[in-house]
Amino acid sequence: AQSVTQLDSQVPVFEEAPVELRCNYSSSVSVYLFWYVQYPNQGLQLLLKYLSGSTLVKGINGFEAEFNKSQTSFHLRKPSVHISDTAEYFCAVSDGTYKYIFGTGTRLKVLA
Amino acid sequence: KAGVTQTPRYLIKTRGQQVTLSCSPISGHRSVSWYQQTPGQGLQFLFEYFSETQRNKGNFPGRFSGRQFSNSRSEMNVSTLELGDSALYLCASREGGTENPYGYTFGSGTRLTVV
Repeated sequence: AQSVTQLDSQVPVFEEAPVELRCNYSSSVSVYLFWYVQYPNQGLQLLLKYLSGSTLVKGINGFEAEFNKSQTSFHLRKPSVHISDTAEYFCAVSDGTYKYIFGTGTRLKVLA
Repeated sequence: KAGVTQTPRYLIKTRGQQVTLSCSPISGHRSVSWYQQTPGQGLQFLFEYFSETQRNKGNFPGRFSGRQFSNSRSEMNVSTLELGDSALYLCASREGGTENPYGYTFGSGTRLTVV
């Protein structure tokens, strides 16, 4: 069985500061990993995905994530956040089939 | 390419009524999945349709049902609505097949409020 743990439910950070949102997963098979962002009253928008190859994945809006197999982690980072990055971020794992397992989400609050 | 379109965006229903939500996937996508999102339970998988067949179902009561049409459009229905059914219902599509890691594209959701 697969599972995803997002360790922080809320992360406040000042504008232009760096941020890391943590995600750990558990799986007995090879996985594909995703980060999605959700703005209020919107659906989920794909930020980035790890399928294979380079463990450092770059996504949209300046975000990147690093796949660490030994730590079973896929943390999301941004070197300098903007007010517009305020949203909820979801980590998800898939074995390549229909079903995604989502984490419980991390609310990123960027402060002026 | 148009994205995943869900209608309506907002819906208010009374307890005991039934409701139908609609989802039009990205052109060429044959797999459509539905998720329920609530503050307490997070994102929970409802079901997945592929080529008009329900391939997989989550752990929801039989009041929740769905279908997919030949053009891949999908509907989900909830009968005998309960207050706890208030949620954001998200539809997501992908190209389909049994092995497709490229991920879902989500719609903006339908916000259902049961009063």
